[in-house]
Amino acid sequence: SAVISQKPSRDICQRGTSLTIQCQVDSQVTMMFWYRQQPGQSLTLIATANQGSEATYESGFVIDKFPISRPNLTFSTLTVSNMSPEDSSIYLCSVGNVRGVTDTQYFGPGTRLTVL
Amino acid sequence: AQTVTQSQPEMSVQEAETVTLSCTYDTSESDYYLFWYKQPPSRQMILVIRQEAYKQQNATENRFSVNFQKAAKSFSLKISDSQLGDAAMYFCAYRMFSRGGTSYGKLTFGQGTILTVHP
Repeated sequence: SAVISQKPSRDICQRGTSLTIQCQVDSQVTMMFWYRQQPGQSLTLIATANQGSEATYESGFVIDKFPISRPNLTFSTLTVSNMSPEDSSIYLCSVGNVRGVTDTQYFGPGTRLTVL
Repeated sequence: AQTVTQSQPEMSVQEAETVTLSCTYDTSESDYYLFWYKQPPSRQMILVIRQEAYKQQNATENRFSVNFQKAAKSFSLKISDSQLGDAAMYFCAYRMFSRGGTSYGKLTFGQGTILTVHP
């Protein structure tokens, strides 16, 4: 597996502000993903973070709201922009293709975001 | 589009007993992967077990095993000798097999089943 860290682990933000969440992996990985888990719900993929190119967004998620950076093979950021209370969720990054194991994704500890 | 359904919002089991969590899925693909993830209150998603659809043999990891019925599109998780530390939300997930070499693709999750373990 991989050691994945996320910062911050939790935050409380005001409506209209933005928060950038960082995801760091202890090894180079080809695939990085960002998921959202709304309270009491399952996980939904926001986007795939591609190294050296723009992220690929799922239906219902747009770059202006959730800009993503992937500057190298061990790091990615997700920004939640112009936040509203509906953005209160746990945001998780996950990685795939860890040390040649291509079919399994491993998850970071998540960032719990509360928007007031 | 692929869908994953977990019909049991909550399950409970006595410590040391066996419990089975249900999962069904819908796909038109013949090659794919199925996973069970565990999410304790710490919210860390932990991989429990994985199954490749092209393998007929059911996957096993210590006290965890699956009953994979490809024709019925069913993928249940059996937890034997349940322990207090097994209490968590369990998610079933599907991933399409990519033939592109990089094997990348999104996970589609079920709604989750909350498992309570009674001492």
